[in-house]
Amino acid sequence: DQQVKQNSPSLSVQEGRISILNCDYTNSMFDYFLWYKKYPAEGPTFLISISSIKDKNEDGRFTVFLNKSAKHLSLHIVPSQPGDSAVYFCAASRGGGSNYKLTFGKGTLLTVNP
Amino acid sequence: KAGVTQTPRYLIKTRGQQVTLSCSPISGHRSVSWYQQTPGQGLQFLFEYFSETQRNKGNFPGRFSGRQFSNSRSEMNVSTLELGDSALYLCASSLWETTQYFGPGTRLTVL
Repeated sequence: DQQVKQNSPSLSVQEGRISILNCDYTNSMFDYFLWYKKYPAEGPTFLISISSIKDKNEDGRFTVFLNKSAKHLSLHIVPSQPGDSAVYFCAASRGGGSNYKLTFGKGTLLTVNP
Repeated sequence: KAGVTQTPRYLIKTRGQQVTLSCSPISGHRSVSWYQQTPGQGLQFLFEYFSETQRNKGNFPGRFSGRQFSNSRSEMNVSTLELGDSALYLCASSLWETTQYFGPGTRLTVL
């Protein structure tokens, strides 16, 4: 049972345009969501997160939107740059303490073309 | 501040052997989690340690085990290696129960 889904395995955009990466989740107990970027042969790098009490969080070129009723979140990158080309993972967690772990989607490969 | 470090970075073993991987968290971080990444299954949670205690465990067989030391450094062990254990093993640390920061991973190849 895949609780976090990234339905687009890949996305290609032009430099300077907006990249929109999508993520859906099924577990309504998730209350914290994160996006990570990963290059080959490296560990994931934290990008941005959002708590379930918010619907938007912004950090520079990165904005995450959360729609709890639809159990959907998205990451917007504006403007996209060639260095943004990587695999992007959506992750979710619920509660803390003994419940704390991250459940990841399978990732979306973003390619930003010059 | 130094990031999460993992050793070794690459490892080749044969079926039936055992392996120990090491992780040093970011200074001050007390929670350490381990994940397995494979092309087919993606990133899957193995276990999480906090103050030397395993607090949470994923759906992996008992061949996968771990421990955490008093300085928060952690090790994971895989016994009786199988071909399917070939993967990138990632360690992550966190200060509080929010954002996890990942190390570069250990690439394990089982022949």
